[in-house]
Amino acid sequence: GDSVTQMEGPVTLSEEAFLTINCTYTATGYPSLFWYVQYPGEGLQLLLKATKADDKGSNKGFEATYRKETTSFHLEKGSVQVSDSAVYFCALRPWNFNKFYFGSGTKLNVKP
Amino acid sequence: GAGVSQSPSNKVTEKGKDVELRCDPISGHTALYWYRQSLGQGLEFLIYFQGNSAPDKSGLPSDRFSAERTGGSVSTLTIQRTQQEDSAVYLCASSLMGQGSGNTIYFGEGSWLTVV
Repeated sequence: GDSVTQMEGPVTLSEEAFLTINCTYTATGYPSLFWYVQYPGEGLQLLLKATKADDKGSNKGFEATYRKETTSFHLEKGSVQVSDSAVYFCALRPWNFNKFYFGSGTKLNVKP
Repeated sequence: GAGVSQSPSNKVTEKGKDVELRCDPISGHTALYWYRQSLGQGLEFLIYFQGNSAPDKSGLPSDRFSAERTGGSVSTLTIQRTQQEDSAVYLCASSLMGQGSGNTIYFGEGSWLTVV
């Protein structure tokens, strides 16, 4: 069945460090892929998305590229800030079905 | 409304009591989802309503959990005879329907349930 696997956390980085959070998926066809972020004490909100192979989603300095050949959608940011501390969830929506599948979440701690 | 609205935002209940959690999706969104997030855990799928189709109840953890959606809009998640392990944040989300369109799922702020 369809599923998402993302790297376990927590991930602790110093400010201005480079961030990668790995996400791989299992799905038939061409699902849509998403990254959601949950800041402390807040609800989940969409960070970025990509709907077809080789698309790059980007927002707030974060990027993720839809790689069909490696079934991956890794989240990257060149220089993290303390304000990026949050839990990040990778998700997919199958091409032919409206149900969303989420990864287990990766907690990011950025230290000044 | 402008976003997904959930109520109550916080609920403390005694073990064995029944609770009802309400979700009002974004206007025009015909798909509605309930997820559960326990402390420090990921998102656990509970139930999914899609238009007028039969709901996907495959994620409900026991028969103490049920949900309905009236008039294709507001949904109520009911937990009967609550147990301490039911303590969690219950998240509602909604989206447009449509295949292959990359529709986004929008979440409410959640209902924090504490069973004492």
